[in-house]
Amino acid sequence: LAKTTQPISMDSYEGQEVNITCSHNNIATNDYITWYQQFPSQGPRFIIQGYKTKVTNEVASLFIPADRKSSTLSLPRVSLSDTAVYYCLVGDIQTGYSTLTFGKGTMLLVSP
Amino acid sequence: NAGVTQTPKFQVLKTGQSMTLQCAQDMNHEYMSWYRQDPGMGLRLIHYSVGAGITDQGEVPNGYNVSRSTTEDFPLRLLSAAPSQTSVYFCASSYEVTGLIGNTGELFFGEGSRLTVL
Repeated sequence: LAKTTQPISMDSYEGQEVNITCSHNNIATNDYITWYQQFPSQGPRFIIQGYKTKVTNEVASLFIPADRKSSTLSLPRVSLSDTAVYYCLVGDIQTGYSTLTFGKGTMLLVSP
Repeated sequence: NAGVTQTPKFQVLKTGQSMTLQCAQDMNHEYMSWYRQDPGMGLRLIHYSVGAGITDQGEVPNGYNVSRSTTEDFPLRLLSAAPSQTSVYFCASSYEVTGLIGNTGELFFGEGSRLTVL
């Protein structure tokens, strides 16, 4: 299973763009990169998923370089409500979700 | 839609007691799973099921039993609770067993059950 490394915490201010980078040096050919968001006292919520290059949805963008050894979750113009823990997961989801491992995540604190 | 529903939300047990955490989903999902979340540890997979009648162990299965008699329900049983099982438990489900057939690769989580074992 690919191991991921994320910053433990990040601070930002409302209206700024936030980029959270995840390192996954031993990512396998069949592995996908998935990001989840977790608010206090709630279960994680899916944000975005990708395999290579760039993926964008209404919430975030995911940038994956050609070597796929890292990925960056980009949150445009964050608000106070984006304060949460963000998890980067790497695994071969085509063989089952049991291959996904939640690490410790990145605690993002957005201030006024 | 209710999504993934967990009960109870809070529970206090004494060491040695047994209990069942309930998980139900109304989305006709094939895949269901249980995680525990401890401070500073992230989420760890306890057990999972790829369909009714099929279960398997995850990363930390010891002390827990599961069964899957219906598609909708996936209860987690603690037969003899220990203080080490004090944690927040999350149930999650997905439409397909694997992540890319017909969906976006999304796991849907319940709101969690906070268990304290004294």
